Order: sequence, then C-alpha cells, then structure tokens
Amino acid sequence: DAGVIQSPRHEVTEMGQEVTLRCKPISGHDYLFWYRQTMMRGLELLIYFNNNVPIDDSGMPEDRFSAKMPNASFSTLKIQPSEPRDSAVYFCASSLLGRGNEKLFFGSGTQLSVL
Amino acid sequence: AQTVTQSQPEMSVQEAETVTLSCTYDTSENNYYLFWYKQPPSRQMILVIRQEAYKQQNATENRFSVNFQKAAKSFSLKISDSQLGDTAMYFCAFMKHVGVMAYGGAQKLVFGQGTRLTINP
Repeated sequence: DAGVIQSPRHEVTEMGQEVTLRCKPISGHDYLFWYRQTMMRGLELLIYFNNNVPIDDSGMPEDRFSAKMPNASFSTLKIQPSEPRDSAVYFCASSLLGRGNEKLFFGSGTQLSVL
Repeated sequence: AQTVTQSQPEMSVQEAETVTLSCTYDTSENNYYLFWYKQPPSRQMILVIRQEAYKQQNATENRFSVNFQKAAKSFSLKISDSQLGDTAMYFCAFMKHVGVMAYGGAQKLVFGQGTRLTINP
C-alpha cells in the first residue's frame, strides 16, 4: 500500500486566497483525521471522520476552515480566506480504530505558508 | 480532558548510548492506548511503539522499549544502542479506548509537545 497520500507537499499563497489541501487515506481505513502542527501549539486535531461522516470538528479554528470527505478515498481541508497565522504543517492520518488496530498512519504533510 | 506532558524539550547523546525520553499523562480513563511517534527532518510521522493500558507487560520493538507505570501515569521510551538515524522529534501520545462496535466518541490522539533528540557521532 502507498500509505496516506497528501497533496501538495508545499503550498505558498497570499493572504486572502483560498487554499485546498488534499488527502487520500489508506484503502480500507474508515477513520480519517486532519491535524495541524505549529511550533507554538504542537500537534492539534482539527477534525476527524468515520465512514466519511464528520464526527468531531471542535478543533477547527474558525469558520474559515472547512473539511469534506465525499467518499472513502478522498478528503479535503479548505481555508477561505487564508491568513498568515494559518501557516503550519497540515497532516492527514487514517486508521481502522476499534478493531484492536488502534494506531494512526500519517501522510507526509502539507507545509502551508501564507504571506 | 486528557493531557500529555513531555518535560524534556531537547536531549543529546552519543551514538551507541542508551537514552530515555520521559512522558506523563493525565486521564480518568482506565482503558487507553499510549504511543511514541518519531518525526525525523523529513517531517514524516512514524509510529515507534504502542502500549495497551490493560497489558502489564511493557512493549518492545527491537531497540525501542517502554517503561509503562500505570499508577504513576508515566510512559517513558528507552532507545538502546542509539544510532544516527534516531535523530528526530519524538512525540508521546494518548488515545482513549473504544469498543469494537463504537461509533463516534472520543478517539482523539492527543500529543505531547515533543522532545528533540540528537544522536551525535
């Protein structure tokens, strides 16, 4: 398996622009997580899905952030409009939780820079 | 809410030495999982080792082992015969247990702030 695939690997944009980050989970996994990593706040859970349904989005910072999972093999995290404080590494992770396989597999992350 | 604390922001040892990274956590749960993840400069988050709270035996993976003290809520990582490739950020993480038929709920993986480990030649 290719693992969790994220794109793009790097994204540089200007303040106010829309940014879309993409994730393809490991085939067969039914949980998908979006994390954000910054120096100040470490790794924070933004939102997670189970069977394509958002379960907990309490970590989403504000209405500028939205996430979707239209099918089992694809998810997006969108920021509109983007701000410099959104600059961070965004990770997607997937898992088969609750079946004795409690472990998350992470993608390589998207480094987002908002100028 | 669960919290995870790593009290050592940075550590440095010589190649082939043994190093122990500390982690404590706070929870009222009885069933949970604990993890150590490694993040090398490549940025990839790599699972190092996993411990189930209901198991008495400490988990081991080759040169990596843990000292799990449930009563003390402590979960340290020992790296034996350290290698240059072990240089990375190490994150301790906590996950609440969920049942097989569970749907939703708090399956969040909560991370500590990390320990930057440098292995010197």
